[in-house]
Parts: sequence; structure tokens; C-alpha cells
Amino acid sequence: EAQVTQNPRYLITVTGKKLTVTCSQNMNHEYMSWYRQDPGLGLRQIYYSMNVEATDKGDVPEGYKVSRKEKRNFPLILESPSPNQTSLYFCASSPMTRTNYGYTFGSGTRLTVV
Amino acid sequence: QKEVEQNSGPLSVPEGAIASLNCTYSDRVSQSFFWYRQYSGKSPELIMSIYSNGDKEDGRFTAQLNKASQYVSLLIRDSQPSDSATYLCAVKLGGGNKLTFGTGTQLKVEL
Repeated sequence: EAQVTQNPRYLITVTGKKLTVTCSQNMNHEYMSWYRQDPGLGLRQIYYSMNVEATDKGDVPEGYKVSRKEKRNFPLILESPSPNQTSLYFCASSPMTRTNYGYTFGSGTRLTVV
Repeated sequence: QKEVEQNSGPLSVPEGAIASLNCTYSDRVSQSFFWYRQYSGKSPELIMSIYSNGDKEDGRFTAQLNKASQYVSLLIRDSQPSDSATYLCAVKLGGGNKLTFGTGTQLKVEL
């Protein structure tokens, strides 16, 4: 089944404790992206990647890191989480060569930083 | 002005009625437009895409695009309680691959 897999689904952590949210897709998509979703603010892009070793900032990159060492994986790293990073996070992917193609989203990770 | 704008709602319609959801966008060169449905706490699910002016129908859903007015809409015919969700308008602004989302319209279909 074609899918984007995120883990974990739920995560509660303390301020300053480094964490990684994993994302993997099995569709051979070049483009991958991380979004956060907050009430009233909608989905906002954090980082994106157009291919292996090619990452760039989205609209709200502060406090986040990403890497793209393999085509299928795009982990989101919070080096020192803070309470304002409490949010619902989604990973998404799409092919680069088909701009008329929407994104496929993962199931989401609900992160709480206390 | 937001790049992609939607009324937040809630939009309430009776079961069996037509629900009309609207979206405006800021970039005249945008070419690709999408509607996603999102149930509370779940991930967005693509339900319609449209690239050319006019209407595109898929089952009970019709997407309408007017590039001159920078306006895209979604009609849901014979609305069902299971259609109750938040509908997200998304646009690939500037012809690139980044999807920019509106904040969504909450739809409630009442029995």
C-alpha cells in the first residue's frame, strides 16, 4: 500500500529534551515536507526537501532541523523543544515531476512539550 | 492579505442539501488547486484537484475554478452527516511544488 508513515503518533516530552519524529514514504517521491497545524493558523510548512541531500526552510523553520540522507526518509528533529512547539505535525510527499499532483500525508504526530 | 483564504465557518447545511465551500488565492500564476477533507485529529485527505477553468465533477463533489477571479470552490451535493469535517483549500502558488493551505472551513451536516 502506498503510504507515508510517521512515528510516533503521540509524544509528550519535557522542555529541552531532544527528539526526532520519523517519516518514511514508499512511493519513490522526490519531494517531502513537514507541516505543523495549529488552531486558527492552519497548516504551515516547516521544511521541505526536493531530493536526497536537498533541504530548505519553509515558513516556520525556527527550532527545527531535518535531514534527507535517503530518498524514502525525512526525519524532523527538535534539538531543544519548547512549549510553543506543541502542535500536530504532518509529513507529506509528492513527486517532483508532476506539479498537478497533490500531497500524500502521513497520519500525524501530536506533540506536547511541557 | 493571506495567500489562500477561506471562511472558517462553521457552515451548517441540512442532510441532502448542497454545501458550497469557497476559497480565494493571491497569486495569478498559480496552476494547481486542491481540496482536502480533514476529520478532527486526522490527516488531510485529497478529495479533488483542478487545474483548468471551469467545473470538474467526481461523484457528489464538483470543483469550480475561475482563474480570472482567483477563486476556487467545492460543491458537495446530497450532503451526508459523514461529510461533516474541515475542508482545506490548497494551492501550488507561483507554479512551484509547495502547497499553501487555507485555514479551512468547518462543515456541519445536520440530520
